[in-house]
Amino acid sequence: DTGVSQDPRHKITKRGQNVTFRCDPISEHNRLYWYRQTLGQGPEFLTYFQNEAQLEKSRLLSDRFSAERPKGSFSTLEIQRTEQGDSAMYLCASSLHSGSWGDTQYFGPGTRLTVL
Amino acid sequence: QKEVEQNSGPLSVPEGAIASLNCTYSDRVSQSFFWYRQYSGKSPELIMSIYSNGDKEDGRFTAQLNKASQYVSLLIRDSQPSDSATYLCAVNGNTDKLIFGTGTRLQVFP
Repeated sequence: DTGVSQDPRHKITKRGQNVTFRCDPISEHNRLYWYRQTLGQGPEFLTYFQNEAQLEKSRLLSDRFSAERPKGSFSTLEIQRTEQGDSAMYLCASSLHSGSWGDTQYFGPGTRLTVL
Repeated sequence: QKEVEQNSGPLSVPEGAIASLNCTYSDRVSQSFFWYRQYSGKSPELIMSIYSNGDKEDGRFTAQLNKASQYVSLLIRDSQPSDSATYLCAVNGNTDKLIFGTGTRLQVFP
């Protein structure tokens, strides 16, 4: 049983460049979440999918951020025109939603982004 | 008021002692509560979930929930140096996203 995987694990980019991260959830999980975590803070919700449908996006999410889950399996998170404030750990989590509240979310190892 | 509040610590306890970590939340409709452990530079790892008032035990860990007081806690018995980490409290409100506290840093010294 493989867990959630993310690629790349580290990304260093220059301000203004675009970056794309990939997340592969646990195979039978139908929900996939993206969070962002900065030093000294807890993870902050960005967006989530059920199968291929994007069900919620954070109001704090700039229009420079876009996420997709085209076939309901892996997901990508793209950041356009990166800014230094985008430097953070980007975490992906997945869960099996069975219709009730409180799915248990399992996190991947994260992608650490540094914007120079 | 933050939605989920935790004391940032550090909480320092000697090896073998009980560590008590606390969390309060503001949204009364919250239904599900989670504790995650996070080592420095790593991603959060689920320790326990709790959904009903009372205690839930799993090995050395006990989660306690009091919805009337909007309070959830985690007790770690027989603390070990390997338990030294940041402990994140997370809450589902009336949506499926998790809302996290800032975490409590626990230090267990030999």
